[in-house]
Amino acid sequence: AQSVTQLDSQVPVFEEAPVELRCNYSSSVSVYLFWYVQYPNQGLQLLLKYLSGSTLVESINGFEAEFNKSQTSFHLRKPSVHISDTAEYFCAVSEVSGNQFYFGTGTSLTVIP
Amino acid sequence: EAGVTQSPTHLIKTRGQQATLRCSPISGHTSVYWYQQALGLGLQFLLWYDEGEERNRGNFPPRFSGRQFPNYSSELNVNALELEDSALYLCASSFSNRGNYGYTFGSGTRLTVV
Repeated sequence: AQSVTQLDSQVPVFEEAPVELRCNYSSSVSVYLFWYVQYPNQGLQLLLKYLSGSTLVESINGFEAEFNKSQTSFHLRKPSVHISDTAEYFCAVSEVSGNQFYFGTGTSLTVIP
Repeated sequence: EAGVTQSPTHLIKTRGQQATLRCSPISGHTSVYWYQQALGLGLQFLLWYDEGEERNRGNFPPRFSGRQFPNYSSELNVNALELEDSALYLCASSFSNRGNYGYTFGSGTRLTVV
């Protein structure tokens, strides 16, 4: 089974400051990587995903994540956060040969005005 | 296209009762997954159904069970409810054996056991 580690359970950051949410996974096989966002009292929404090709992937709302195979990481970054980015963020891994996902424990991002 | 729908949105039960939660996947998706999200515990994998069969099960007692119907909708049953079963229960769906598409989640059922 896969294992996904999100080292930071809570990340407070001031508005317009940059942020990085860390995600590491353990796998000896090829994987797909995902970031999901959960706004209060809602389900999870897909933010971005890495399947293959360019190791840097972007979302429509300014987030980006970079796949680093040697470090088995998929950290999420945003150069300037907004109040509306306050949410829970989950990193997830799926083996290329399967379709069950393994989720991290989540990182609560709080943007401070 | 309709998303993943879950019902009811909220459910209040008394300890010892049974709860039934329902999920309708996106059209064309044959896999349904159930997760429990208790306060402070992240997403805990419960069950995975595909083509009507249970494919995998998380580390939960047998009183958590479910099924998938021929139209791929799914039902999660929790028997002999305990206070610690209070949580948000999320359903997700995907194409079978197509991990690269990701999961699509419903908005969840908030179960409160009193």
